[in-house]
Amino acid sequence: QVHLVESGGGVVQPGRSLRLSCATSGFTFSAYALHWVRQAPGKGLEWVAVISYDGDKKYYADSVKGRFTISRDSSKNTLYLQMNSLGTDDTAVYYCARARGGGYHSAFDNWGPGTMVTVSS
Amino acid sequence: EIVLTQSPGTLSLSPGERATLSCRASQSVSSNYLAWYQQKPGQAPRLLIYGASSRATGIPDRFSGSGSGTDFTLTISRLEPEDFAVYYCQQYGTSPLYTFGQGTKLEIK
Repeated sequence: QVHLVESGGGVVQPGRSLRLSCATSGFTFSAYALHWVRQAPGKGLEWVAVISYDGDKKYYADSVKGRFTISRDSSKNTLYLQMNSLGTDDTAVYYCARARGGGYHSAFDNWGPGTMVTVSS
Repeated sequence: EIVLTQSPGTLSLSPGERATLSCRASQSVSSNYLAWYQQKPGQAPRLLIYGASSRATGIPDRFSGSGSGTDFTLTISRLEPEDFAVYYCQQYGTSPLYTFGQGTKLEIK
């Protein structure tokens, strides 16, 4: 059974950094692109970043480009999101999600339960 | 960037009724790369429909998707109590950029 679980969220001051992790199991990790999606309190879904199945290609939403870095570790079957220069607008639940067909042109078929990030002084 | 506009914002219906949710794109969605998700309070989104009309694994057949180009529809043929939730459409045709609609809240009348 496919399983994704995020961790690393918490309360952080503006301008500081945080790293999120997404532990996965139940599928061939190295065969799937993986995404981060976030949802601000009471708001809709916003795609954040994607990393290719092999980690070679990474793409970001304009709102996080230059501040966030997505990465993956196949030895640990884990996805990461390094978030720097955090602002209050980054306050959200962060979800990791798997690309259904493995590649970019795929819907997101499995999601973790999310981890809350609160940016506040 | 493709903008997705969902309507209505809120839909009030009773169990047993038929629900029709709309998603309109600002430009044509490539190869019908359009998905629908259901989200209940405090939960992650769940994939319902991909490729505009294909049901995801385990999704009941009362859920169906249709449409092409810029106009897409999610239909729930006969509402069950567990179907009341927020629904989002998403395009993944201009990958690697992905956009979601703002959501439609389906509430019990």
